[in-house]
Amino acid sequence: AQSVSQHNHHVILSEAASLELGCNYSYGGTVNLFWYVQYPGQHLQLLLKYFSGDPLVKGIKGFEAEFIKSKFSFNLRKPSVQWSDTAEYFCATSGYSSASKIIFGSGTRLSIRP
Amino acid sequence: DTAVSQTPKYLVTQMGNDKSIKCEQNLGHDTMYWYKQDSKKFLKIMFSYNNKELIINETVPNRFSPKSPDKAHLNLHINSLELGDSAVYFCASSRGGDTQYFGPGTRLTVL
Repeated sequence: AQSVSQHNHHVILSEAASLELGCNYSYGGTVNLFWYVQYPGQHLQLLLKYFSGDPLVKGIKGFEAEFIKSKFSFNLRKPSVQWSDTAEYFCATSGYSSASKIIFGSGTRLSIRP
Repeated sequence: DTAVSQTPKYLVTQMGNDKSIKCEQNLGHDTMYWYKQDSKKFLKIMFSYNNKELIINETVPNRFSPKSPDKAHLNLHINSLELGDSAVYFCASSRGGDTQYFGPGTRLTVL
C-alpha cells in the first residue's frame, strides 16, 4: 500500500541553521513526489516536486529535495533557514493517473528561533 | 484572480444542523478533492472527483455527501453535524496526478 512517513514531528532551529526534513515513501510503481508548505493560518502551497529526471529538485525560497530511489527517500533541505520559514511541511506522493490518490505524510512542524 | 476558492471561510454552527461548503476552481483542472485537517494538522483525503465522477471515497461517514455540478465545482454537504466534525476543510484541484492547488480552507466549528 502507498504510504509516506515523516519521522520528525517538530523541529526547532535557530536562524541561519541548516535544515533537513526526512521523508520516506512506499509505492509499488512510478511515483510523483511533492513537498508542500503550510504557513500559520494559511492553506497548503507547493514548495517543489519530482516527477522524473534530475533527482535533485530545486524549489521556491531556497528549498531543495533529493530523490534517492534506493532509499525510498525524498528529504527536504535548506542551507540557511529564516524566521519566515516557520511553518508546517508536508511530504506527499501520488501515482500518475487521475485515479491515483495523493498521500500526505503527517507533517513536520518547523519552528525557527529569531 | 483566486485559483481555488471556498465559501464560507468560517462556519460556526450547532450540533445536529446541516451545512454546505462550496468550492470553485478556475484553473481548468479535471480533478477536485476535499480534505479534512484536524487540530494536529493531520491532512486526510475525503473525496476526489475526476470530470464530475467520484473516484476516491475514503472511509467517511455517509453524513458527508459531495456534489460536483460541473468540473469547476465540488461542494460538500454535511448532515447532522457532530462535535468531531470540527476541523478545517480544504478543497483542492489538479490535473490528474500533478500538483494540487489548495483553497484557503473553511474552518468549521460545531458547538
